[in-house]
Amino acid sequence: QKEVEQDPGPLSVPEGAIVSLNCTYSNSAFQYFMWYRQYSRKGPELLMYTYSSGNKEDGRFTAQVDKSSKYISLFIRDSQPSDSATYLCAMGLDTGGFKTIFGAGTRLFVKA
Amino acid sequence: ETGVTQTPRHLVMGMTNKKSLKCEQHLGHNAMYWYKQSAKKPLELMFVYSLEERVENNSVPSRFSPECPNSSHLFLHLHTLQPEDSALYLCASSQRGGGAGYTFGSGTRLTVV
Repeated sequence: QKEVEQDPGPLSVPEGAIVSLNCTYSNSAFQYFMWYRQYSRKGPELLMYTYSSGNKEDGRFTAQVDKSSKYISLFIRDSQPSDSATYLCAMGLDTGGFKTIFGAGTRLFVKA
Repeated sequence: ETGVTQTPRHLVMGMTNKKSLKCEQHLGHNAMYWYKQSAKKPLELMFVYSLEERVENNSVPSRFSPECPNSSHLFLHLHTLQPEDSALYLCASSQRGGGAGYTFGSGTRLTVV
């Protein structure tokens, strides 16, 4: 079983739709959870960061962590064509080590 | 441009060539990383340097050789690569062990012919 599972998509939605992106993981010890956005021909950029369970909102983006189900989500409200990108989930242990585990990424297309 | 700069952006090399990838950060971060990104696969951690010491070498073949001369610069020296080494090579930096998030460069698209 992979440590982090993420549906690669592609996911295609119309402009204005609510997008739900998800990852599941197997290591219950993970403490921090992140979402990165990667545009074509660019490196990933940190979009959202959460520590432990709960919700975090930043503009049109909401990150949700459910540690009991080992499931994290990223919601995008009022999606825009500029949101078209690959979204990577990432997580790890806050032990001062250097291993963050990444999902394979979900490719999202928002159609105008 | 992000705070992490990678050069070159694209590289085509033969299997007998020797080339180097360069990464530079001016964010004051104390850890730097090399990742390999292949299509539809998770990012693969290759090497980690913290305060200029290598702290992680993730079973990477010896044809990849990292170098970190100071806290702002990181190199990846390549020699006798294989076609399966073709991928996007990403450099990243962080302030701590990555738990606060990484800053990535735009990557070097490497093609081995």
